[in-house]
Amino acid sequence: DAGVIQSPRHEVTEMGQEVTLRCKPISGHNSLFWYRQTMMRGLELLIYFNNNVPIDDSGMPEDRFSAKMPNASFSTLKIQPSEPRDSAVYFCASSISPAGQFFGPGTRLTVL
Amino acid sequence: ILNVEQSPQSLHVQEGDSTNFTCSFPSSNFYALHWYRWETAKSPEALFVMTLNGDEKKKGRISATLNTKEGYSYLYIKGSQPEDSATYLCAPPNAGGTSYGKLTFGQGTILTVHP
Repeated sequence: DAGVIQSPRHEVTEMGQEVTLRCKPISGHNSLFWYRQTMMRGLELLIYFNNNVPIDDSGMPEDRFSAKMPNASFSTLKIQPSEPRDSAVYFCASSISPAGQFFGPGTRLTVL
Repeated sequence: ILNVEQSPQSLHVQEGDSTNFTCSFPSSNFYALHWYRWETAKSPEALFVMTLNGDEKKKGRISATLNTKEGYSYLYIKGSQPEDSATYLCAPPNAGGTSYGKLTFGQGTILTVHP
């Protein structure tokens, strides 16, 4: 198994642009998690899905952030419009709950 | 909201030293405890999932114990090596089996092993 796949690995964009991060979970995993890592706040959970259904999006910072999971093998996290304070590493993780989560390599986002 | 505390926040040891650190969590409604290792510029890697009081798990030179009655877990590293340098995170799921695996991470213990 290739593990959790995220794309792109690096993204540099200008303020105001739309950014879409993608995640392919491990096949057979039924839970998917989006995290953001920043120096100030550490690793924070943004949203998670179970069986493709969003369960808790209380960590999504504001309306500029949205996430979808149209099927069991794909999820997106979109930021529109992006701002410099969104610069961070965004991780996707999947699991067969309640087992441990497997993290993807992360997407390093820089908003200029 | 779970209150998860890890101590110490950071630790510097010499190569060959053995070390340990602590994760404290609410003991009520315990479900499971996860330990992760997070190396700089990489993604968190699961080490252990512990569920039973008195549980002890081992992976190479790293082992962990669990006390659910008093709400703590210890992580031990025997004979630390520079490659053990990482942030070690603990995370209990939200209480109850319906958490769908949502974890509440502690702030982590940053371990630096000096050659």
